[in-house]
Amino acid sequence: DIQMTQSPSTLSASVGDRVTITCRASQSITNLLAWYQQKPGKAPKLLIYQVSNLESGVPSRFSGSGSGTEFTLTISSLQPDDYATYYCQQYNSMGTFGQGTKLEIK
Amino acid sequence: EVQLVESGGGLVQPGRSLRLSCAASGFIFDDYGMYWVRQAPGKGLEWVSGISWNSGSIDYADSVKGRFTISRDNAKNSLFLQMNSLRAEDTALYYCAKGRGSSLTWDMDVWGQGTTVTVSS
Repeated sequence: DIQMTQSPSTLSASVGDRVTITCRASQSITNLLAWYQQKPGKAPKLLIYQVSNLESGVPSRFSGSGSGTEFTLTISSLQPDDYATYYCQQYNSMGTFGQGTKLEIK
Repeated sequence: EVQLVESGGGLVQPGRSLRLSCAASGFIFDDYGMYWVRQAPGKGLEWVSGISWNSGSIDYADSVKGRFTISRDNAKNSLFLQMNSLRAEDTALYYCAKGRGSSLTWDMDVWGQGTTVTVSS
């Protein structure tokens, strides 16, 4: 089974900051990686699929990059609405999720 | 508007059964694979099961294999999860999710709001 490891688990940042979250796969997943945002009491929302493709309606301050086993989600300028938990998910083999990164207000 | 509405959750004793349903609308249901993903209280996301557009491909997480059965009724735009021999560790919010494609590819673009399953005596 492919394991997904996110870092950090918690991240404190201020509005306007550039934020990066990393996701590592235990083996190559080619480009089959997605990022989701989840706010308390809400369902996950797809932000990015296939490493770097922005889902329709998602602000352009979100971007994704990487290949093989290492991937990043970047928020170029943090907005108040971005405070949430973020999950990566590989879908090269089944659909394993990372453990999540909670983005908190600094 | 694409919408997924789960139902069927509740409080159930260990060893008993429960059947979850997901009613889909706003898209051509039988064009897409469908999935169940769960989230235990205060924990992360765990994929549970997936089914391709025509039920030809089905898969389960090891943690539920042999106890849970996924199915779909394309005529009724509905997805189901039959959960037998429930355990305390199955306690979670269960989400129904729509795939991006017709086969079992595990990429999900729309999620329902979830239905809560609590397994306790």
